[in-house]
Amino acid sequence: DTAVSQTPKYLVTQMGNDKSIKCEQNLGHDTMYWYKQDSKKFLKIMFSYNNKELIINETVPNRFSPKSPDKAHLNLHINSLELGDSAVYFCASSTTSGANVLTFGAGSRLTVL
Amino acid sequence: DAKTTQPNSMESNEEEPVHLPCNHSTISGTDYIHWYRQLPSQGPEYVIHGLTSNVNNRMASLAIAEDRKSSTLILHRATLRDAAVYYCILRPWDNYGQNFVFGPGTRLSVLP
Repeated sequence: DTAVSQTPKYLVTQMGNDKSIKCEQNLGHDTMYWYKQDSKKFLKIMFSYNNKELIINETVPNRFSPKSPDKAHLNLHINSLELGDSAVYFCASSTTSGANVLTFGAGSRLTVL
Repeated sequence: DAKTTQPNSMESNEEEPVHLPCNHSTISGTDYIHWYRQLPSQGPEYVIHGLTSNVNNRMASLAIAEDRKSSTLILHRATLRDAAVYYCILRPWDNYGQNFVFGPGTRLSVLP
């Protein structure tokens, strides 16, 4: 059983299109995250949700809109894709207190042509 | 900004121990020390964490300095599969509204 699963694993699309990446966790965690890893391999937080509530929103363009229908799901929708959006996007989850170990998904590689 | 500093890269021979250092001089009393690693083309995975005492698990050991301003991840016998980027990060006990900040990590190469 995959603890944090993301779909799709690969996404190739044209500039200007809109695309979504889905994430689901079966760990019972109450917090979920989206991270972006660019070509320089730095992992940067984009958003964090706790029990469906947005709690972290880093300086991310408005074209990125996360949605959390329930605490086990956090989807990422991207409008008007740009070349600079090409990256690997990782979903993760954790508890909110205590050691709160992060569990990551396998990543979704987005390529914008 | 990352609150930890690590060497950019390290090299080890296969089947030898590896000591990966991490400095976190601004650590607060409620910060846990976490280590993650990212194998090529995979998502980061949890390795180990600790608060004050040294910790052991099936993957590694974590040695924490008495003043907690530094720690060392110990891989007892490096294998080729341990070649990865290793991240040391701090995580407050109550992390609501805060995020895990990843620095560039240490890229470990394991030579056969």
